[in-house]
Amino acid sequence: QVQLQESGPGLVRPSQTLSLTCTVSGDSISSGSYYWSWIRQPAGRGPEWIGRVYTGGFTTYTPSLERRVTISIDTSKNHFSLRLSSVTAADTAVYYCARDFGDSSPSFGFWGQGTLVTVSS
Amino acid sequence: SFELTQPPSVSVSPGETANMTCSGDRLATKYVSWYQQRPGQAPVLVILQDRKRPAGISERISGSKSGNTATLTINGTQAMDEADFYCQAWDSNTAIFGGGTKLTVL
Repeated sequence: QVQLQESGPGLVRPSQTLSLTCTVSGDSISSGSYYWSWIRQPAGRGPEWIGRVYTGGFTTYTPSLERRVTISIDTSKNHFSLRLSSVTAADTAVYYCARDFGDSSPSFGFWGQGTLVTVSS
Repeated sequence: SFELTQPPSVSVSPGETANMTCSGDRLATKYVSWYQQRPGQAPVLVILQDRKRPAGISERISGSKSGNTATLTINGTQAMDEADFYCQAWDSNTAIFGGGTKLTVL
């Protein structure tokens, strides 16, 4: 079964760029036709979808973050990445990577354990 | 913009049936997914496409939809069912989550 693991700095300074990587194991990231997403969750609030990358590299982002977000995929390293620029305290959250369920369903069927990113000076 | 509305909390006694709703404009035309999140853990998909249960999810959990309101039902609620539950749908190629319902088993 596919497994996902987030990694990256837990502390980012305001105005800097947040960078996270999601390493995929148990399957090749390039096998099948899947969407790979980033989702974040501020403390005490519901999840917020950030965006996704298709196995072939096509990306879509949530409109409110589109100007600051880049999601990319590296099939040679079996991982995909998130970059969020010009961060503020409002970007403090647990960040999850996820894969769709498959069988033509875009539901988020597989999740990483999440990583807390704090934006603070 | 598209929004999903959930009641903040639902409380039931052990053995009772818990019903959690999710409403939104045009929800009748969209598939709804449901996620269960226990404290300190990642969300887990429990219902997709309004009413389908992934492998390994308890048969006590079911989903339904009537018009613009989707409902997640847990029969014979147990203490282990205590968690936050989120509905989710897609609108204009964007995933939208509801604010969540905290299920308390008294």
